[in-house]
Parts: sequence; C-alpha cells; structure tokens
Amino acid sequence: DAGITQSPRHKVTETGTPVTLRCHQTENHRYMYWYRQDPGHGLRLIHYSYGVKDTDKGEVSDGYSVSRSKTEDFLLTLESATSSQTSVYFCAISESGTSPEQYFGPGTRLTVT
Amino acid sequence: GENVEQHPSTLSVQEGDSAVIKCTYSDSASNYFPWYKQELGKRPQLIIDIRSNVGEKKDQRIAVTLNKTAKHFSLHITETQPEDSAVYFCFTGTYKYIFGTGTRLKVLA
Repeated sequence: DAGITQSPRHKVTETGTPVTLRCHQTENHRYMYWYRQDPGHGLRLIHYSYGVKDTDKGEVSDGYSVSRSKTEDFLLTLESATSSQTSVYFCAISESGTSPEQYFGPGTRLTVT
Repeated sequence: GENVEQHPSTLSVQEGDSAVIKCTYSDSASNYFPWYKQELGKRPQLIIDIRSNVGEKKDQRIAVTLNKTAKHFSLHITETQPEDSAVYFCFTGTYKYIFGTGTRLKVLA
C-alpha cells in the first residue's frame, strides 16, 4: 500500500460537535481527495486538493471544509456534525494529472449519535 | 451533472466461470478508466486501468475493454476463484472523478 495514513481510524461523536479527520501521505503526491462511502452510493467525492492551499468542491461538499497547508497533510472538518454524516471516510492520493491513478488510505469510520 | 452507471449491482457465478461488469458514463472528456476491488472492511484497491487511446487491456485473468463511441467500459474476469469475491467499482471523469455504485461479485465454490 502507498504511504497513506488516516487518523483517527474510528470515532464516535455527538451531533453538533466539530470533527477533524486527518490524511497524511509520505509519497509527495500533488493531488489528495476525500471521499465518503455509504451503502448503495459507492464512494462520493467530498473535496479534493491539487496543491498546497489549492482545493475544490466535489459532489457532496455541503457541511464539510478542508485545508491543506503542507503537501503531506489534508484535513477534513465537519463544522457541526450531523447524523447524516455517519459514514466511512476515505482519503486518496494521486501523483499528477497525467498519472491519475488514485491510491486509498485505510479509512475512518465516523459515527455521529 | 456527470454520471456513471454500473451494472449489475450483484453478480453470482460458479467458480471457474467468467464475470462481466459494465459501466456507462456521460462525460465525453473522460480519458481514464480504472477498476477498483474492495474486500469487506478494506480500502479500494486499483486492479486494472485503461486510457482512452486503448481499446482493451489484459492482466492475467482480468481485462478491461473500452468503447468511447458508446461511452461504456467493462471489466472481464475469467476463470473466477473464491478470492475474486468482493465489491468492484468503476471510476471515471476528468478532475472530479465519479465512482459507479459498485457490483458485489460472489464466486460460488
């Protein structure tokens, strides 16, 4: 597996609390992505980054924000968690636009009660 | 918006038989067509991919075919084995990639 880690791996939180998930890579890849995976929906893109401080929205970005201050770290923040954000969150990385292969982290299971 | 449809959603085959999963897409600018395999509780893993200038690519028992005119691409698994049982996802787009909703493949011994 590519050098991608996610933290925490599991989290239970209450509705209305802020939550930050971290993705860390050691591959020096330019692109980083956050997806959520829910039964019946496959993986859906939340946000992605194409460089330090450069980010863009995906198809399910409402309620989420991201930040990338270093090449190796991409943070996903739920400003005020809701039960609909209970999901498994995957981070992915890819080297460049001409090498678009994406490699996934191990995932974070988030439960919002 | 752009769309990717994947069929079938579930597929059961006898060990040794072939399996075919198909995806259709709407983004005519798509130029990269990978397939991912996800075992239960694990991360998606890239198993094969194809670029738009190629019609078919094979890697041992798996192959991907692409029809850009019709906007569909397919995963073919021959001589299926129990370890092929997993969920398979197609994936395409340009900068904002979209996954298919997945096919649960069961290989019956």
